[in-house]
Amino acid sequence: EVQLVESGGGLVKPGGSLRLSCAASGFTFSSYSMNWVRQAPGKGLEWVSSISSSSSYIYYADSVKGRFTISRDNAKNSLYLQMNSLRAEDTAVYYCAREVGSGGTGGFDYWGQGTLVTVSS
Amino acid sequence: DIQLTQSPSFLSASVGDRVTITCRASQGISSYLAWYQQKPGKAPKLLIYAASTLQSGVPSRFSGSGSGTEFTLTISSLQPEDFATYYCQQLNSYPFTFGPGTKVDIK
Repeated sequence: EVQLVESGGGLVKPGGSLRLSCAASGFTFSSYSMNWVRQAPGKGLEWVSSISSSSSYIYYADSVKGRFTISRDNAKNSLYLQMNSLRAEDTAVYYCAREVGSGGTGGFDYWGQGTLVTVSS
Repeated sequence: DIQLTQSPSFLSASVGDRVTITCRASQGISSYLAWYQQKPGKAPKLLIYAASTLQSGVPSRFSGSGSGTEFTLTISSLQPEDFATYYCQQLNSYPFTFGPGTKVDIK
């Protein structure tokens, strides 16, 4: 069974940092591109970042570029999101999601349960 | 960046109704479009990918169509478990933008 389990969320002050993790199981993690998607309270979905299977290709939303860093450790079946210089507008539930199909043609077929990040003083 | 719009933003429907949601892209995205269903407090669920391919395990009352800039998600006969918010997403180019969502509520 495919499982994605996020952790690392919590309350952080503006300007602070947080590192999210996503533990993957039930599939060959190293064969898939992975993504982070967030959802602010009561709002829609926002794609945050993508990393290819071998970390060769990395992309970010403009809203987080220069502040967030996506990475992965295929030996540990884990995905990460290092979030620096956090702002109130980064407050959201953060989901990791598996991308299926070449070039994302299959969409995001498995999602974690999400981890809440709250940026507030 | 490619922008997605969805219409309507909200719709009220009854069990058994046929429901259609439209997603429009600001530029052509071929068939690189996915549809998701999200219920409160839950992660999104993939329904349709490549504009018209039904994800495994998704009931056949869901269907998708379109290419280029205009796409539709149709629920042929709305069931109680289908009341949720629906999002489209383009995967033609980064950033992989989502539409603003359509909330389907009970009439």
